[in-house]
Amino acid sequence: AQSVTQPDIHITVSEGASLELRCNYSYGATPYLFWYVQSPGQGLQLLLKYFSGDTLVQGIKGFEAEFKRSQSSFNLRKPSVHWSDAAEYFCAVGGIQGAQKLVFGQGTRLTINP
Amino acid sequence: DTEVTQTPKHLVMGMTNKKSLKCEQHMGHRAMYWYKQKAKKPPELMFVYSYEKLSINESVPSRFSPECPNSSLLNLHLHALQPEDSALYLCASSHYETPNYEQYFGPGTRLTVT
Repeated sequence: AQSVTQPDIHITVSEGASLELRCNYSYGATPYLFWYVQSPGQGLQLLLKYFSGDTLVQGIKGFEAEFKRSQSSFNLRKPSVHWSDAAEYFCAVGGIQGAQKLVFGQGTRLTINP
Repeated sequence: DTEVTQTPKHLVMGMTNKKSLKCEQHMGHRAMYWYKQKAKKPPELMFVYSYEKLSINESVPSRFSPECPNSSLLNLHLHALQPEDSALYLCASSHYETPNYEQYFGPGTRLTVT
């Protein structure tokens, strides 16, 4: 069955340090890939997306992600985190089991140490 | 304007009450979605409307009744809910019901069933 896995439930990094959040998917074709961020009690905000083309995509707030077909991965990175980046991050895959359906990973909670 | 609005922000209702959640977007999007999100979990798709017609119902209990009166509005009517239905209910919209159009999320309605 198609699935999205975020192996890290919780990550803590120091402010100014680099960040990488992992996402793996299980799907036969190249899916539509997204990263969303959710602050406590808020809705989801799209950080970036990948459909095709250049496998390194740039998003908002200084985030980027790299699609690696051989590893079925779409990891999110940021070179230097800010305290305001503390939030829940969801990787999602679209185009599975019907056009509109988004399947989310379990999420990774990011804590920033001052 | 890339905003999806949801009202109310918070709702407390008894198991015998009838209430409605409202979602509105003015981006000209033709697909709208309801998601349910339990604490520390990813959003789960409930319903999808495309061109004001219900296109996906993810086997949601009939105590949840969606309605799309026009292309800008989406309602979720609630009746005889159970305490386990307490959750954050998120609305989203996208240009069309294809995965290459990202979904924009509202801030959600925090529902508590007593």
